[in-house]
Amino acid sequence: QSALTQPASVSGSPGQSITISCTGTSSDVGGYNFVSWYQQHPGKTPKLMIYDVSNRPSGVSYRFSGSKSGNTASLTISGLQAEDEGDYYCSSYTSTYTLLFGGGTKLTVL
Amino acid sequence: QVQLVQSGAEVKRPGASVKVSCKASGYTFTGDHIHWVRQAPGQGLEWMGWINPNSGGTSYSQKFQGRVTMTRDTSISTAYMDLSRLKSDDTAVYYCVKDPATSGAYFDYWGQGTLVTVSS
Repeated sequence: QSALTQPASVSGSPGQSITISCTGTSSDVGGYNFVSWYQQHPGKTPKLMIYDVSNRPSGVSYRFSGSKSGNTASLTISGLQAEDEGDYYCSSYTSTYTLLFGGGTKLTVL
Repeated sequence: QVQLVQSGAEVKRPGASVKVSCKASGYTFTGDHIHWVRQAPGQGLEWMGWINPNSGGTSYSQKFQGRVTMTRDTSISTAYMDLSRLKSDDTAVYYCVKDPATSGAYFDYWGQGTLVTVSS
C-alpha cells in the first residue's frame, strides 16, 4: 500500500487560515471516517490534533479542524500562530485492518 | 497519568535483531491496542503494526511481514517489538503508541522513542 498523499509544504502569515490535504483511496480515506492528524515539532514526539476525521482531543485549540470529502481529508488551521509551525501527518485506517500515514507536510508561518 | 516508557538506544550490526520494550502505566494495559511507528532520520512516520494486549492478536504492515514480531507481557504491562535481519535503512526512531479507538485507530499517547542505529 502506498502512503497517503500530502503536499510537501504549505505556508501562511499569522492570522491567516491554511488547509493541508490528505488524499487516499476508497480503501482507506474514502472508505472510513477514521482519519487522524498529528503535529510534530522538531525533535519532539508527534501530538494528536484530530481523530475520526473531525474530532478534536481535549486540550487541542479550536483553531484546528478536520473534514473529509470523498478520498481526500483536510486539516484546516485558522488564525495561524507562530507556534503552529512544524510538520503535520495524516493517517487513515484501511480495509485490511492496517494503517497508512501521509508523507507529511511542513508548515511554515511567514 | 498515562505513560509509555521505552527502552534505551541500540546500535546493531546489519543482519542482527533488535527488541524494543514499551512499559505502560496510568491506564488499563489490556484495554487499548499498542501500535509501533518508526521515523527514519529526516523522514516521515511509518506504521509497522499493532498488538492487542488483551488477546495477543497482531496485525503487521506488509512491508515488515516476516521480520517483525510484536508481543506483550500483561503481568508487567509491557509491549515488545522485535525486528530481525536488520538493514542500514532500518535506522530510525521507533515509537510505541497507544490507540484508544474501539473502531479505526488513532494515537493519543506516544512513547519517548527508541533510536535504533544499524551500522557495520
